[in-house]
Amino acid sequence: AQTVTQSQPEMSVQEAETVTLSCTYDTSESDYYLFWYKQPPSRQMILVIRQEAYKQQNATENRFSVNFQKAAKSFSLKISDSQLGDAAMYFCAYRPSQGWYGGSQGNLIFGKGTKLSVKP
Amino acid sequence: NAGVTQTPKFQVLKTGQSMTLQCAQDMNHNSMYWYRQDPGMGLRLIYYSASEGTTDKGEVPNGYNVSRLNKREFSLRLESAAPSQTSVYFCASITRDRGYEQYFGPGTRLTVT
Repeated sequence: AQTVTQSQPEMSVQEAETVTLSCTYDTSESDYYLFWYKQPPSRQMILVIRQEAYKQQNATENRFSVNFQKAAKSFSLKISDSQLGDAAMYFCAYRPSQGWYGGSQGNLIFGKGTKLSVKP
Repeated sequence: NAGVTQTPKFQVLKTGQSMTLQCAQDMNHNSMYWYRQDPGMGLRLIYYSASEGTTDKGEVPNGYNVSRLNKREFSLRLESAAPSQTSVYFCASITRDRGYEQYFGPGTRLTVT
């Protein structure tokens, strides 16, 4: 069974500095998607960034970027120029198949999350 | 376009009571999901519906039932609530666009005393 592991329950970063959140996963699939979701105190799950496993290039979205190491099954999130609004729980998630997108193939497998604090 | 909506936002039940959590999406998505989130855990799948008229169990289905009323609506029912069902519940739907992104509702915080 696929699993997603976030080894850092809590992290802290100074405002304007850079922080990296770690995620590893276990799968025998060759095609899949990886995601980072942000959950602020409002509880809303917000997609931060996605990575397609077949793409070698690391995804970037403004201040957010990933380091995707397929062979090592590692998917870390880097937040540059951290802002107070970045404080939240961050969840790494894996989706087993990019074939038929509905049903069980659409299910996300989540890590347990990393709580990020940003110090002013 | 409201996205995914859930009602209620908060609910307190006594052990043994029943209730239904409502979820609706207006994005014409085929597949919908119910997750629960517990402290120190990620989100775990309770049930999903691949398309209108079909439902299937996820990782933690015990104590729950679901109904896919139509393409828009997917409800989650607790027939006899237990304290172990105290959690935050999220409904989600999925689109093939934008890399199969799941869209989440705002969540329902349920407390069973």
